[in-house]
Amino acid sequence: AQSVAQPEDQVNVAEGNPLTVKCTYSVSGNPYLFWYVQYPNRGLQFLLKYITGDNLVKGSYGFEAEFNKSQTSFHLKKPSALVSDSALYFCAVRDGGDYKLSFGAGTTVTVRA
Amino acid sequence: GAVVSQHPSRVICKSGTSVKIECRSLDFQATTMFWYRQFPKQSLMLMATSNEGSKATYEQGVEKDKFLINHASLTLSTLTVTSAHPEDSSFYICSARAGQGDFEAFFGQGTRLTVV
Repeated sequence: AQSVAQPEDQVNVAEGNPLTVKCTYSVSGNPYLFWYVQYPNRGLQFLLKYITGDNLVKGSYGFEAEFNKSQTSFHLKKPSALVSDSALYFCAVRDGGDYKLSFGAGTTVTVRA
Repeated sequence: GAVVSQHPSRVICKSGTSVKIECRSLDFQATTMFWYRQFPKQSLMLMATSNEGSKATYEQGVEKDKFLINHASLTLSTLTVTSAHPEDSSFYICSARAGQGDFEAFFGQGTRLTVV
């Protein structure tokens, strides 16, 4: 079985401050990890993924995420948040040998001006 | 990234009628497509997985006779909500993958279904 936990329902930061959205996962095999962002009444947009290689993954719109195997975490980060980053963020995982994605509950990010 | 187009973006239908939602991969061939349902402020719930040319695989608790899925080509999958009822009102999202392995899934823009 595979699962994802996003412990924070909401994250609020001021524009220009660092942004972190937390994610921990559980899989039986090798984890394939993903971050997606969703704007109101829209589908999900792919931000970045970790499959193998460097633990620090850089993605779209200045986002990055760090894979930590010992802590089974894959936190999303952005050094300087923008108001336009306000959205719903989903972490997802699938077992490398499987095809199904399991999503976290989502974290609403609000960046205030 | 790859583009997945979902149509319509919004639909309102009367109770008892059927509604078809299309999901197209515009610039790649999708060997596998997925259909999700999302309730307000909740995560995505996988409804079914479809592979081109074969029957869809439904998740536990999803009525296959109510949610008909067809994946007739490598670029098109359809979800038909049959005999819709108000409790079927939801946001439906499709996604598609180009292949196996480390391919990520790309998502359509979603369809807001309202059954009145």
